[in-house]
Amino acid sequence: DIQMTQSPSTLSASVGDRVTITCRASQSISDWLAWYQQKPGKAPELLIYRASSLEGGVPSRFSGSGFGTEFTLTISSLQPDDFATYYCQHYNSYSRTFGQGTKLEIK
Amino acid sequence: EVLVLESGGDLVQPGGSLRLSCVASGFSFKDYAMGWVRQAPGKGLEWVSSISFSGREVFYADSVKGRFTMSRDNSKYTLYLQMHNLRAEDTAVYFCAKIGLASANFNYWGQGTLVTVSS
Repeated sequence: DIQMTQSPSTLSASVGDRVTITCRASQSISDWLAWYQQKPGKAPELLIYRASSLEGGVPSRFSGSGFGTEFTLTISSLQPDDFATYYCQHYNSYSRTFGQGTKLEIK
Repeated sequence: EVLVLESGGDLVQPGGSLRLSCVASGFSFKDYAMGWVRQAPGKGLEWVSSISFSGREVFYADSVKGRFTMSRDNSKYTLYLQMHNLRAEDTAVYFCAKIGLASANFNYWGQGTLVTVSS
């Protein structure tokens, strides 16, 4: 089974900062990777799919990159609404695997 | 407006059974794959199961295979998750989600329904 590992587990940052979250796959997954944002008590929201494609309605300060085993989610200039937990997720036609999550906190 | 609404969560004893439902609206349900994702209290997300638009293909996480059955009734715009032989580790909020055609990912989610397995 493919394992997804995110780093860091927790990230402290300030409004206006540029932040990057990393997700590593235990084996190559091409670009079959998505990113989700989840706020406390809410359902997750899809941000990025196919490693770098922005879901409709998602602000352009979010971007994704990577291929194979290493992927990143970058927020170019943190806004107050961005403090949340972020999950990467590998997907294929028959299964999906989430990373353990990265909690983005206010410094 | 796309909406998905889960129901059926409850307190159940270990070894018991429960059926979750998810009613969809605001889109052509029969044209979209759907899925279930769960989240144990204070923990991360775990994919549970996905079903094709027709219902002919269903996939499960290893942790629920053989115990859970996902199905759909396109005429009723409803998704189901039948859960048997429930364990304490199945305790979680269960989310129903629509899979987008372009993204092939969960682009609309319900608010979740809580399943608690405890004696």
